[in-house]
Amino acid sequence: GENVEQHPSTLSVQEGDSAVIKCTYSDSASNYFPWYKQELGKRPQLIIDIRSNVGEKKDQRIAVTLNKTAKHFSLHITETQPEDSAVYFCAASKGTSGTYKYIFGTGTRLKVLA
Amino acid sequence: GAGVSQSPSNKVTEKGKDVELRCDPISGHTALYWYRQSLGQGLEFLIYFQGNSAPDKSGLPSDRFSAERTGGSVSTLTIQRTQQEDSAVYLCASTSSGSYGYTFGSGTRLTVV
Repeated sequence: GENVEQHPSTLSVQEGDSAVIKCTYSDSASNYFPWYKQELGKRPQLIIDIRSNVGEKKDQRIAVTLNKTAKHFSLHITETQPEDSAVYFCAASKGTSGTYKYIFGTGTRLKVLA
Repeated sequence: GAGVSQSPSNKVTEKGKDVELRCDPISGHTALYWYRQSLGQGLEFLIYFQGNSAPDKSGLPSDRFSAERTGGSVSTLTIQRTQQEDSAVYLCASTSSGSYGYTFGSGTRLTVV
């Protein structure tokens, strides 16, 4: 069945360093890959997404890369700040309308140490 | 509405009782999803509704769980004969065709005692 694996489960970095979170997916038909940030006690918020027709997308300090052949994608956060501390979830989805269900990874707890 | 609304925000129930959780999606969103998040865990897919199509119920963990969506808008997730392992935050999300990216509600924290 559909599965998304996410690593690492926890990640600690010094403020200003970079953080990388990696995900692999099993369904080769997946074509949409969002990333969500969830702060403690809050709802998940979409921070960046990528569709399968591009290999990389960047938004200020956040970037996502996609390797369709290997079926993996990664989140890169540069110049980390304490407010980046949260749990990050990757997800994979398919279909043509954007409304197919997401299969989420198990999450990465990122701690940015001041 | 401006966002996805869920009610109640917190629910404590006794084991064996039935509960209903409500989700009011963003106006005009055709797709609605339910997920479950146990303490410190990931987002487990339960069920989703897309327009007038039959719902995808493949994530429902047992026949004690059911959901309906009336008039293509509000959805209710019902858990019958609740068990302690049902304790979790139940998140609802919605989106519309072509927009990509869910918007989540703030969730219902269910505690079964």
